[in-house]
Amino acid sequence: GAVVSQHPSRVICKSGTSVKIECRSLDFQATTMFWYRQFPKQSLMLMATSNEGSKATYEQGVEKDKFLINHASLTLSTLTVTSAHPEDSSFYICSASINRGIEQYFGPGTRLTVT
Amino acid sequence: DAKTTQPPSMDCAEGRAANLPCNHSTISGNEYVYWYRQIHSQGPQYIIHGLKNNETNEMASLIITEDRKSSTLILPHATLRDTAVYYCIVRVEGKTSYDKVIFGPGTSLSVIP
Repeated sequence: GAVVSQHPSRVICKSGTSVKIECRSLDFQATTMFWYRQFPKQSLMLMATSNEGSKATYEQGVEKDKFLINHASLTLSTLTVTSAHPEDSSFYICSASINRGIEQYFGPGTRLTVT
Repeated sequence: DAKTTQPPSMDCAEGRAANLPCNHSTISGNEYVYWYRQIHSQGPQYIIHGLKNNETNEMASLIITEDRKSSTLILPHATLRDTAVYYCIVRVEGKTSYDKVIFGPGTSLSVIP
């Protein structure tokens, strides 16, 4: 099956710093990538959707200036958490799709801890 | 957007079939039913999807009622590794013609030795 990787798998950063998370589709070209975050014992919450070469579409309540998404190529999307705060600590998961999101393949997730 | 309802938790004995129900009474005619699962601290894993016919693959079977208002995911011989949260999702049409996957709370399945 299609493989999606994320890097790093875990990151600890200090409050006020920025953190970049990479999402790569390893064996296919992803027309669309999605970013989710998941707090403990809760379900995944969609943050934004991005198509290669265009601006991301953010879900209601997600600050686009705080969560910067870049989808520069068909195999790479990045999420940058700017000026991170402890409340941004969460499990961030990306997914990639080939055909307009009909089938999505998820990455293993990135555990962000902001101290 | 069609919503789904699932029981919050279920137990299943190891080696027995696990039957996970899902209600999606407001599903539209062109919406598919998808199932994913998430093992603790991992990304979700695609299991199966269908429109109106029953589907089977190496992981599971999907039974969709004739009126499409509910479905059941069947894991024929559950193992301890099947312990996970199972999400039943109806594909949502996005504003710009790409489809978002919106997760509900899912069913936490515990397979018991």
